[in-house]
Amino acid sequence: DMQLTQSPSSLSASVGDRVTITCRASQSVSIYLNWYQQKPGKAPKLLIYAASKLQSGVPSRFSGSGSGTDFTLTISSLQPEDFATYFCQESYSRTITFGQGTRLDIK
Amino acid sequence: EMQLVESGGASVQPGGSLRLSCVASEFAFSNYFFSWVRQAPGKGLEWVANIKRGGDETGYVDSVKGRFTISRDNADNSLFLQMNSLRAEDTAVYYCARWRGAQSELELWGQGTLVTVST
Repeated sequence: DMQLTQSPSSLSASVGDRVTITCRASQSVSIYLNWYQQKPGKAPKLLIYAASKLQSGVPSRFSGSGSGTDFTLTISSLQPEDFATYFCQESYSRTITFGQGTRLDIK
Repeated sequence: EMQLVESGGASVQPGGSLRLSCVASEFAFSNYFFSWVRQAPGKGLEWVANIKRGGDETGYVDSVKGRFTISRDNADNSLFLQMNSLRAEDTAVYYCARWRGAQSELELWGQGTLVTVST
């Protein structure tokens, strides 16, 4: 079965910081890797699709990279509204898998 | 504005049944694949089921196979999840979500509906 492992599981950072979250797949997913942001009590929101493509309306401080098994989500300069939980998700396999999430808190 | 609105969540006893609905508006519902995704309290996201455009092809996570059935009514712009033999571990917020295309990304989500399975 496919597994996606995110690291770190939680992270404390300050406004203006550069932050990187990684997602490692147990087998290759090519570029079929997406990133979502979720705030408490809200539905997830698509940020990055196909590993590196920015969803329409998402600020350019968000970027994604990687292929195969190793992927990263980078926020270049944290803003107050970015404190949330981030999930990766693969759409390569028939059964869809999400990472366990990375909670980003204010330091 | 394009949106998905879920309903049908409730509190139910173990072994009971529930039918969730998701109504779409402001887009061509029949053109898209859909999924149900759930989130147990304080936990991560778990994909539950998929359905293709015509409703003839579906897929499920192993833990719900034989108990849950995803379906759709393209004439009514509606997606459904019939949940039978409910267990405590099915307690979660259930989201319906739209895929942009085959093997792509979940670009539109509903607000979620809470299912609680408890005595």
